[in-house]
Amino acid sequence: DSGVTQTPKHLITATGQRVTLRCSPRSGDLSVYWYQQSLDQGLQFLIQYYNGEERAKGNILERFSAQQFPDLHSELNLSSLELGDSALYFCASSVGVGPAGELFFGEGSRLTVL
Amino acid sequence: AQKVTQAQTEISVVEKEDVTLDCVYETRDTTYYLFWYKQPPSGELVFLIRRNSFDEQNEISGRYSWNFQKSTSSFNFTITASQVVDSAVYFCALSENSNSGYALNFGKGTSLLVTP
Repeated sequence: DSGVTQTPKHLITATGQRVTLRCSPRSGDLSVYWYQQSLDQGLQFLIQYYNGEERAKGNILERFSAQQFPDLHSELNLSSLELGDSALYFCASSVGVGPAGELFFGEGSRLTVL
Repeated sequence: AQKVTQAQTEISVVEKEDVTLDCVYETRDTTYYLFWYKQPPSGELVFLIRRNSFDEQNEISGRYSWNFQKSTSSFNFTITASQVVDSAVYFCALSENSNSGYALNFGKGTSLLVTP
């Protein structure tokens, strides 16, 4: 158990819909990262938050947005969903903003868009 | 451009065989970090090791060992006396200071199957 909690574990929805994925980082970790894992793209970095502020951005679509709340949990919002958004979405947390510590990953949220 | 290349897509070995998973990376930074993660069939990503670019000392942890060679930009992972429980997808990753901060840049992964 990494200590990172992601909900829901599985989600099935239709094209055009909007979903929210939630992540609670390990106790004491200030950084939260979101990754998307799909068969064709592999593991892709989406976005990082550190202590409530956006820190780094990767290949995140404009239809996607995220935020980190004062209690440090984070939410990833996916809107106008397309079939290609079907993937496993991972949240990871770390103590600091850089690579000084390892990233601890949650078990992922599997999104299926029909 | 792919920053981390794991040329072996799938490897199949028989239990107790040794197996080496290759990882080649590309960076212009002098300070960077390399990682290996394991993704078992259950799906979670499990941290195995982190090395910084200034520490080329090889590391051994039980049946696992890692060979870091800056001269060839490689960070290979060897499992000695493989076991069925080692069956998983293994990812090599690079962390460098880029437009994406220090976010991990993963390779495509190597799927390892260990059969009895």
